[in-house]
Formats: sequence, C-alpha cells, structure tokens
Amino acid sequence: EAGVAQSPRYKIIEKRQSVAFWCNPISGHATLYWYQQILGQGPKLLIQFQNNGVVDDSQLPKDRFSAERLKGVDSTLKIQPAKLEDSAVYLCASTTTWGTGYNEQFFGPGTRLTVL
Amino acid sequence: GQQLNQSPQSMFIQEGEDVSMNCTSSSIFNTWLWYKQDPGEGPVLLIALYKAGELTSNGRLTAQFGITRKDSFLNISASIPSDVGIYFCAGYNFNKFYFGSGTKLNVKP
Repeated sequence: EAGVAQSPRYKIIEKRQSVAFWCNPISGHATLYWYQQILGQGPKLLIQFQNNGVVDDSQLPKDRFSAERLKGVDSTLKIQPAKLEDSAVYLCASTTTWGTGYNEQFFGPGTRLTVL
Repeated sequence: GQQLNQSPQSMFIQEGEDVSMNCTSSSIFNTWLWYKQDPGEGPVLLIALYKAGELTSNGRLTAQFGITRKDSFLNISASIPSDVGIYFCAGYNFNKFYFGSGTKLNVKP
C-alpha cells in the first residue's frame, strides 16, 4: 500500500510570508497528525484529526497556524505569517482507527521549511 | 505535555560494538515505542512494547518496557554502518504519541 504522502518536500520563504503544506494519509486511515520537528528535537504534536474533526489542537499557535481536513482524507497545514522560529520539518502521520488502543503510526517524509 | 528524557544525546561507536540507549518519563505509558529516523525521512517504527516488563527483539535490536511503565531501553548488538541515524523513543496513551529528543548514532566502519 502507498505510504503517507507530503508536499512540498522543501520550502524556503522569507519571514512574514505565508506557506501551506499538504498531506495525504494512507488510504482508510481515520486519524491524522501534524507534528513540528525542530532540528535536534523529537516531533511535537501540533494538531490531531479524527476523520474531518479536530480532536486536539492545544499545541497549535492559532494566531498564525491553521489546518483543515475537509473531507476526512487529505489535509493542509498553513502558516501565516511565518516567523524565523517556524523553521523546522513538518511531519504528517496517520493511524487506522480511534479509541481502540494502540495502532501503528505511519509518517510521511516531511516538509523541511526554512524561514529567512 | 508529557515529557520524555532520552539519553545519550549522541553516540560515536565502532562497527561491531553494542549500543544501549534509554528513555524515562515522569508519566506512565500504556505502550512504549522505538523509532529510527534517517536524514530526509520520517520516523519508522522499529519495536512496539505493550506491557510492563516485556522484552522484545527485532533482529539485532532488543527493547524492554520498564516495570514501572515509566521507562524503556533499546539495545543494538553488533552495530553496522546502516544503523547510523537518529533513534527516538515514544510513549503512547489514548491516541497520543509523545516523543523523546532522540539519540544520534554514528558508526565508524
């Protein structure tokens, strides 16, 4: 089966510009996660979707970050306006179901964002 | 959020040596996980541990779920050059994954 797809793979922008990332999870995976991974750190959860509903966005800087998963399949994450400290790899991940205990989480390759 | 302390931060070893890394938390987890991340890629699951005291192997990798449910370790035996990468521990509770800061492994041929 195809893995988690993300695009673009790399993006360089100047501060105060806007940027959007796209993720297509594994077919049939109901739960989708966006993580921010700053260099030298582990992934940090930004937002978690169950189908097309948000179940946790407590760590999302909502003044500049937004995300949606309108049809419960693919998802976009947007930053507007970007700051220097947003430079990171943005990882998308998905799992099969919700609420039935642990299910393996599959990651996409990530989008590396550089803000100048 | 729940924080995981992973050590060491980095290791430089000779090919053929064994490696050990560990992860501790102030919180109890239902599942402990170990991932490897190669440059330019997302983390890939190596081993999942489901109950306290569990010892699980995957080839040259062995991991254990601590008795207190607050810690885990990963051992790699007879390291080879392709073991190079960043290893992350993660704890899982109620549909959420919490990651350590990673151990960067360098293997000299």
